[in-house]
Amino acid sequence: AQSVAQPEDQVNVAEGNPLTVKCTYSVSGNPYLFWYVQYPNRGLQFLLKYITGDNLVKGSYGFEAEFNKSQTSFHLKKPSALVSDSALYFCAVRALNTGGFKTIFGAGTRLFVKA
Amino acid sequence: GAGVSQSPSNKVTEKGKDVELRCDPISGHTALYWYRQSLGQGLEFLIYFQGNSAPDKSGLPSDRFSAERTGGSVSTLTIQRTQQEDSAVYLCASSSGLAEGYNEQFFGPGTRLTVL
Repeated sequence: AQSVAQPEDQVNVAEGNPLTVKCTYSVSGNPYLFWYVQYPNRGLQFLLKYITGDNLVKGSYGFEAEFNKSQTSFHLKKPSALVSDSALYFCAVRALNTGGFKTIFGAGTRLFVKA
Repeated sequence: GAGVSQSPSNKVTEKGKDVELRCDPISGHTALYWYRQSLGQGLEFLIYFQGNSAPDKSGLPSDRFSAERTGGSVSTLTIQRTQQEDSAVYLCASSSGLAEGYNEQFFGPGTRLTVL
């Protein structure tokens, strides 16, 4: 069965510092990986995805993520955090050859960026 | 608007009552998903529709939950004989069915259900 783990419930970062939100996955085939963000009192928004090709993918708001097949990870990163980045971040995975149609989401990581 | 819409935005009901939650996906999106998000928790998959294929109901927590999608567009999630543990935010999402698998999902604002 496919699964996603976000090992940190919360990440605290000072504004201007780099941030990393961790995600590891388990699938039986090639994964499709996604990051979504949920700002306070707003719906989930797509940030970026890895399908194939370059392991480093860039997305909205200056975020990027690196696909690491050997470590089965897809960590979200940003070189310089902003207070406005404070939100709930979800990693998600989908594998085509599982025969199912659903996307599995991680439990979420709450990011706090302090001024 | 062009986004996913859900109604009602808030629903308060008494234990044992039935509720219906509605989702209008983005026009042209053939894939539609329902999720449940409990307070401070992650997303729990409920059900998935893709075109005319049989829906994937593997995430429905009990037979009190059901969903339908009429005409390949609007979807209704029905919860019968609601229980307090059903209280959560119910999220709907849609995605383009083309090249299924790697299209991102577009989420609605959710319906906050409170069962008293």
